[in-house]
Amino acid sequence: AQSVTQPDIHITVSEGASLELRCNYSYGATPYLFWYVQSPGQGLQLLLKYFSGDTLVQGIKGFEAEFKRSQSSFNLRKPSVHWSDAAEYFCAVGVVNSGYSTLTFGKGTMLLVSP
Amino acid sequence: ETGVTQSPTHLIKTRGQQVTLRCSSQSGHNTVSWYQQALGQGPQFIFQYYREEENGRGNFPPRFSGLQFPNYSSELNVNALELDDSALYLCASSLAAEQFFGPGTRLTVL
Repeated sequence: AQSVTQPDIHITVSEGASLELRCNYSYGATPYLFWYVQSPGQGLQLLLKYFSGDTLVQGIKGFEAEFKRSQSSFNLRKPSVHWSDAAEYFCAVGVVNSGYSTLTFGKGTMLLVSP
Repeated sequence: ETGVTQSPTHLIKTRGQQVTLRCSSQSGHNTVSWYQQALGQGPQFIFQYYREEENGRGNFPPRFSGLQFPNYSSELNVNALELDDSALYLCASSLAAEQFFGPGTRLTVL
């Protein structure tokens, strides 16, 4: 069965500093990979996705992620964090099972931004 | 283009009661998925509906059931509520692999 691991429960970054959030997945085939962001009490907003092709994908709000098959990783990066980036971030793997598709999420990483 | 909407926003129920949550999918999307997000956890897949039929289910008991209507909107029904059912319930609509989420319904079971 597929699984997603986000090793960091909380991360604190100074405003203006760079950010990397880690994500490792387990899946037998080439996965669809996603990063979502969730602000308190809100739903999930898609930041970026990887389906195939270029392993470095660009998303909204200045985020990017790199798919590394050899490491089963899909880490999220941003060169300069803004205070408004404080939120919870979820990595997910998309799986197709017998004609239906579903997302399996990690437990999330809470990003705190210090002044 | 209207995004995914859910109602109600918040709901408080007591143990043993039944609840119905509603979701309107994004225009043109024929597939709706429901997820449960407990506090401090990632969302967990409950089930998926495609053209009014359940076509996939996660590890949830039968007291979690659903419907999808001809306009692709959907309902999630939970019978015999338990305290552990307290969570944010998220609906997502899709046409292909990418899912678009609504704002969720926060259910509290007392």
